[in-house]
Amino acid sequence: EAQVTQNPRYLITVTGKKLTVTCSQNMNHEYMSWYRQDPGLGLRQIYYSMNVEVTDKGDVPEGYKVSRKEKRNFPLILESPSPNQTSLYFCASSSRGGWDQPQHFGDGTRLSIL
Amino acid sequence: KNEVEQSPQNLTAQEGEFITINCSYSVGISALHWLQQHPGGGIVSLFMLSSGKKKHGRLIATINIQEKHSSLHITASHPRDSAVYICAVSRGGNQFYFGTGTSLTVIP
Repeated sequence: EAQVTQNPRYLITVTGKKLTVTCSQNMNHEYMSWYRQDPGLGLRQIYYSMNVEVTDKGDVPEGYKVSRKEKRNFPLILESPSPNQTSLYFCASSSRGGWDQPQHFGDGTRLSIL
Repeated sequence: KNEVEQSPQNLTAQEGEFITINCSYSVGISALHWLQQHPGGGIVSLFMLSSGKKKHGRLIATINIQEKHSSLHITASHPRDSAVYICAVSRGGNQFYFGTGTSLTVIP
């Protein structure tokens, strides 16, 4: 089954404790991206990757890191999480062409940072 | 100013009603997406279109490129259609804009 898998689905942690949210897709997609969703602000892009070893900042990259060492994986890293990073996070992927192609979203990761 | 405007912002309907959600945009686009997000969070892509009309089950999406407008119609609405519907437009690659979403509640 074609899917984008995010882990964990839920996480409560404390300020400053490094964490990684994993994202994996099994569709051989070139384009992958991360979003956060906050009440009243909608979806905002954090980082994106057009292909392996190619990543770039989205609209709200501060406090986040990503890597794209393999085509299928695009982890989101919070080196020193802070409470303002409490949010609902989504990973998405599509074939070459980015948003000119249908987007496949993961189920989301609800992150609470105390 | 938002590049993508959706209306209405909130919509409540009785089960069985015909529903229309509108999306207007102000930039040139190469594709338009309709996304659905149920309470509890997951986002599903319903349609991607660049011209004309697409239909999937009870859902129909239309786009008028000249008028920079798209509509999402739901026929014979059902409580399970209750969700937030998000319009997004693409200008190619990573250039895209999200609408603010329409929250739909269908009452049995």
